[in-house]
Amino acid sequence: QQQVKQSPQSLIVQKGGISIINCAYENTAFDYFPWYQQFPGKGPALLIAIRPDVSEKKEGRFTISFNKSAKQFSLHIMDSQPGDSATYFCAASYSGSARQLTFGSGTQLTVLP
Amino acid sequence: DTAVSQTPKYLVTQMGNDKSIKCEQNLGHDTMYWYKQDSKKFLKIMFSYNNKELIINETVPNRFSPKSPDKAHLNLHINSLELGDSAVYFCASSPPTGGVGKLFFGSGTQLSVL
Repeated sequence: QQQVKQSPQSLIVQKGGISIINCAYENTAFDYFPWYQQFPGKGPALLIAIRPDVSEKKEGRFTISFNKSAKQFSLHIMDSQPGDSATYFCAASYSGSARQLTFGSGTQLTVLP
Repeated sequence: DTAVSQTPKYLVTQMGNDKSIKCEQNLGHDTMYWYKQDSKKFLKIMFSYNNKELIINETVPNRFSPKSPDKAHLNLHINSLELGDSAVYFCASSPPTGGVGKLFFGSGTQLSVL
């Protein structure tokens, strides 16, 4: 049972454009929603995270939008750059899970120069 | 000054062999993990150790055995390797406070079973 559904599987954006990746979750007990960025040959690295008490969090060009009632959250990358080309994973966790993150299936983002 | 380091980076071996992957973290974290990433990039947790004690053991064949000699090290031993074990294995660690979702990953070990 996939608890966090991520789309699209792949995304191609022109330099300067907006990249949008969407995730939906099922478990209403989730209370922490991080996004991880993975470059080829590297491990995933925490990019930005949000808790459900806020609807948006922004860090530089990266913004998470969170819709608690719809059980959805999304990552927006403004002014996308070729250096943003990577695989992005959404994830979710809850306090009672003994430190267990549930990851989405990943989105391979390609930003064309 | 690598935070989470794992060795080897690449591991190519024959079916049926036994191999080990080592992991060390110098972040002072108390929880360490092994994740498996398949060819479709899907990340799945395998094991989690907290202060050398096993706290998560997902449905993983018992050919996989983690060992944590101290809270800075978590090794993974795999017996009787099979073709389906080919994947990238990531070690990770997390701090004792600040959110259960903050994982620090190593660079991965690409295992190829021939």
